[in-house]
Amino acid sequence: DQQVKQNSPSLSVQEGRISILNCDYTNSMFDYFLWYKKYPAEGPTFLISISSIKDKNEDGRFTVFLNKSAKHLSLHIVPSQPGDSAVYFCAASVVAGNTPLVFGKGTRLSVIA
Amino acid sequence: GAVVSQHPSWVICKSGTSVKIECRSLDFQATTMFWYRQFPKQSLMLMATSNEGSKATYEQGVEKDKFLINHASLTLSTLTVTSAHPEDSSFYICSASTGSNYGYTFGSGTRLTVV
Repeated sequence: DQQVKQNSPSLSVQEGRISILNCDYTNSMFDYFLWYKKYPAEGPTFLISISSIKDKNEDGRFTVFLNKSAKHLSLHIVPSQPGDSAVYFCAASVVAGNTPLVFGKGTRLSVIA
Repeated sequence: GAVVSQHPSWVICKSGTSVKIECRSLDFQATTMFWYRQFPKQSLMLMATSNEGSKATYEQGVEKDKFLINHASLTLSTLTVTSAHPEDSSFYICSASTGSNYGYTFGSGTRLTVV
């Protein structure tokens, strides 16, 4: 049973437009959520996180929205750039740093120039 | 920022041999290390959690005698794949708990190919 789901395996967006990556979770105990960017044969790179006490966190071009009642979060990238093309993983944990992350299957983002 | 160095980045070994993967925290003390495994186009699946000085906790379905984890110091954790078989070929990644706000730093991963 997958506790973190990314239902879109891929997404294509034009350069300069907004990219929206979605993630759903089932475990209501999760209280910390993260987004990672990953290239093949490399470790994940941290992008942005959000605690369950917030509904939005913004860092530059990246914004994460959390809807706890819907158990849904999304990552917005605006404006999208070709260098953003990668696989994006949503991850969740019960207590930040002390418990392992549970990952979704990832969404491959392609930003087209 | 916190850095985790993982070596080797890739390794090819023969069936039946053992391979050791190292993860070192370079500028912080990692009391907890998580080991993940990723098959092509799949998610990162947790294999085990190790705490410095104690035995690792393995996830269901992960053979502890096959995937030996040692976390003898606060800066080093190792994963040894014993008697490797082709089905062990995968991408292995370690992650250390930093205790900071976002809590996790990943190594660069190891691509293991067993022939």
